[in-house]
Amino acid sequence: SQTIHQWPATLVQPVGSPLSLECTVEGTSNPNLYWYRQAAGRGLQLLFYSVGIGQISSEVPQNLSASRPQDRQFILSSKKLLLSDSGFYLCAWKSQGNTGELFFGEGSRLTVL
Amino acid sequence: AQSVTQLDSHVSVSEGTPVLLRCNYSSSYSPSLFWYVQHPNKGLQLLLKYTSAATLVKGINGFEAEFKKSETSFHLTKPSAHMSDAAEYFCVVRLSGGSYIPTFGRGTSLIVHP
Repeated sequence: SQTIHQWPATLVQPVGSPLSLECTVEGTSNPNLYWYRQAAGRGLQLLFYSVGIGQISSEVPQNLSASRPQDRQFILSSKKLLLSDSGFYLCAWKSQGNTGELFFGEGSRLTVL
Repeated sequence: AQSVTQLDSHVSVSEGTPVLLRCNYSSSYSPSLFWYVQHPNKGLQLLLKYTSAATLVKGINGFEAEFKKSETSFHLTKPSAHMSDAAEYFCVVRLSGGSYIPTFGRGTSLIVHP
């Protein structure tokens, strides 16, 4: 069966520090991968998605970046965090093609102080 | 283009009473529609999905939803609420055969009173 792992689960970082959130998927190959952010009391905002290794599409301009160094690994990064980067970050995957649902990780709670 | 509107930001019910969470969508093509549930500080879990088969879709935990093309709606219902149903619910639309980027509603917070 397929599983998705996301870490760290919680993170408290000072403004201006770097960020790295990791997400890995097991039990499937060549998935579509997604990073979402959920601010307090708000819906999900799509940040990045990837349909293959090294292929990243950005939905919202910001100081975050994403990389996909391996087929089932998706990394969210920042060189310098802002207060507004605080939120709940969710990684998700979907099988290739135009059907099927998203499967989500457990999320990473980031607090920038 | 596709969009989804969850008509209520909060819904409050008593335990044992019916639940209705409303969702309307806009899509130029045949959509796939989903409902997800999110408990506090957790990821999203799929409740059910509609992908052009039966219009009445049954999901997990006693939830079901009916696709009504004429009303462009996909409301989520449950006959009897449990305390454990208290969570955030998201309606999602995605074009079938088109974009692989789903569009999420803003969510409805379900509050269940004892």
